[in-house]
Amino acid sequence: DAKTTQPNSMESNEEEPVHLPCNHSTISGTDYIHWYRQLPSQGPEYVIHGLTSNVNNRMASLAIAEDRKSSTLILHRATLRDAAVYYCIGGTSYGKLTFGQGTILTVHP
Amino acid sequence: EAGVVQSPRYKIIEKKQPVAFWCNPISGHNTLYWYLQNLGQGPELLIRYENEEAVDDSQLPKDRFSAERLKGVDSTLKIQPAELGDSAVYLCASSPRREGSGELFFGEGSRLTVL
Repeated sequence: DAKTTQPNSMESNEEEPVHLPCNHSTISGTDYIHWYRQLPSQGPEYVIHGLTSNVNNRMASLAIAEDRKSSTLILHRATLRDAAVYYCIGGTSYGKLTFGQGTILTVHP
Repeated sequence: EAGVVQSPRYKIIEKKQPVAFWCNPISGHNTLYWYLQNLGQGPELLIRYENEEAVDDSQLPKDRFSAERLKGVDSTLKIQPAELGDSAVYLCASSPRREGSGELFFGEGSRLTVL
């Protein structure tokens, strides 16, 4: 699995967009980029994943750099319920994932 | 549809005692994972099953940890004997083995405290 680098923490205000960056310069051509989040006292929850093209779903958007060495998870309008640890993972398609320490997102009302 | 079910949610034991955790994955999911999560850290893979076969157990401390998935459905993770350093959350996850899909479904975890 590719090594990923994320900021330890980020802050946002409610109803504002949030851009969570991730660097994965060693990612291989077949590794997907996965994002999970973990709320307090819960197991991780899938957010989104992609390979080369930008991806959108009901939770978020994933913008992948053309060289695939970095990506950005975009929460279009942060809510208090989006406060969580966000993990960026580079790995195989069906799920052997290596989690790092993630980014702690704080959302202010 | 029911999610991944784990039990117990919390367990407190004294060191050197045995402990077991149970996981029932989402129906139809062939792949099952056990992860360990220490406080303030991301989850670390202990073992991965494809049906009843353990295909990746390289991170499982086999001197005291064991796992089984006898019929390819639910699974049990055991620690015997437990040590103080085993205090952590044990997470179970499952996924359908479907090419292109990276989604793992996690349970709420079993929090172990070893005194």
